[in-house]
Amino acid sequence: SQQGEEDPQALSIQEGENATMNCSYKTSINNLQWYRQNSGRGLVHLILIRSNEREKHSGRLRVTLDTSKKSSSLLITASRAADTASYFCATSGGGADGLTFGKGTHLIIQP
Amino acid sequence: DTAVSQTPKYLVTQMGNDKSIKCEQNLGHDTMYWYKQDSKKFLKIMFSYNNKELIINETVPNRFSPKSPDKAHLNLHINSLELGDSAVYFCASSQVAGDEQYFGPGTRLTVT
Repeated sequence: SQQGEEDPQALSIQEGENATMNCSYKTSINNLQWYRQNSGRGLVHLILIRSNEREKHSGRLRVTLDTSKKSSSLLITASRAADTASYFCATSGGGADGLTFGKGTHLIIQP
Repeated sequence: DTAVSQTPKYLVTQMGNDKSIKCEQNLGHDTMYWYKQDSKKFLKIMFSYNNKELIINETVPNRFSPKSPDKAHLNLHINSLELGDSAVYFCASSQVAGDEQYFGPGTRLTVT
């Protein structure tokens, strides 16, 4: 069964605004990762947060993790047109059995 | 320098045919994966291969078989293709199993 659920499914904002995407999952995890996918392209890893971490930053990205609620959020600050893409959360149990992805949030940045 | 490459990028074939998709990574990673992305953009793990150990997602039909000639390659072979196999297939690799993964550009398979 599907692990992650992103919310919202689609988000359209003006350039310069902040974008927040949420992800919920069902089982225990070792880490949670966020990926970006531009149209017709492969996935690009953005950030990884481990189950014992609560918040992590990378450039304009801020990720939070609440293991008690089994949820995570991705905040992109000062959005740019180039941030237009689909964003996926993915959970890992820490082994070699691959990532379990959510359905993704399609983010559109209006210039 | 392409970290994870796949060939071909596009593959159009008829039902019943057998086809292969190749994947190569030049990152020196020990673990490689195959994912399927359907028309609704939902990604699902198909296989992972780590130190000669193959982990198969139980929902994958046995018409799909991964083959790893060496640590840098994990090819995907599909027998008796069906319409429902149409999707984008992504290869990925990771240095540490379960951590950050590097994805290839994808192979769009269309079965007619």
